[in-house]
Amino acid sequence: AQKITQTQPGMFVQEKEAVTLDCTYDTSDPSYGLFWYKQPSSGEMIFLIYQGSYDQQNATEGRYSLNFQKARKSANLVISASQLGDSAMYFCAMRSSVSGSARQLTFGSGTQLTVLP
Amino acid sequence: DGGITQSPKYLFRKEGQNVTLSCEQNLNHDAMYWYRQDPGQGLRLIYYSQIVNDFQKGDIAEGYSVSREKKESFPLTVTSAQKNPTAFYLCASSSPWAYNQPQHFGDGTRLSIL
Repeated sequence: AQKITQTQPGMFVQEKEAVTLDCTYDTSDPSYGLFWYKQPSSGEMIFLIYQGSYDQQNATEGRYSLNFQKARKSANLVISASQLGDSAMYFCAMRSSVSGSARQLTFGSGTQLTVLP
Repeated sequence: DGGITQSPKYLFRKEGQNVTLSCEQNLNHDAMYWYRQDPGQGLRLIYYSQIVNDFQKGDIAEGYSVSREKKESFPLTVTSAQKNPTAFYLCASSSPWAYNQPQHFGDGTRLSIL
């Protein structure tokens, strides 16, 4: 069974500062994908960044980067130069390469990020 | 633009009533999913479908039903057997065969009890 753990229910960051949101995972599958989603107060889920388990380099997408440490089973999201619009709930999720269950996403409980002006 | 459309945005249910949430996608994805989100919580899988005319229960299927008669559509019915239906419901789609592809989500439906 897969499990995602996000240990920070809430985080605060000053505008223009960087922030790291923690995510650890547990799986016995040989290969998998890790995803981060942003959920603003309006509710939609916005895909931010993806990291494959065999990727040699950490993923980056604009101001988002993923600090992937496979041996520690962690995939922390780093947001650089925080903006007020970054205030939202952030979810870490995992999808296995093993067939079955339509390779469903397993989600963590989320981290509520608040950016302070 | 391709995407997922959920309707209605807000829905109210009376006691003993069944209600149906609509989900339509034009992304040509084979797999579709329904999630439930309670306040301050993560997403929990209700049902999923990998192809037309096939669907499987997720982690919290009791009190819910689905159909998949067309590739584009995956409606969710919240039955009267679901005693605590107040939640935010999200529909998603993806290619089931590519684990490195993200699921794409609709904007959600907020369901409340009258």
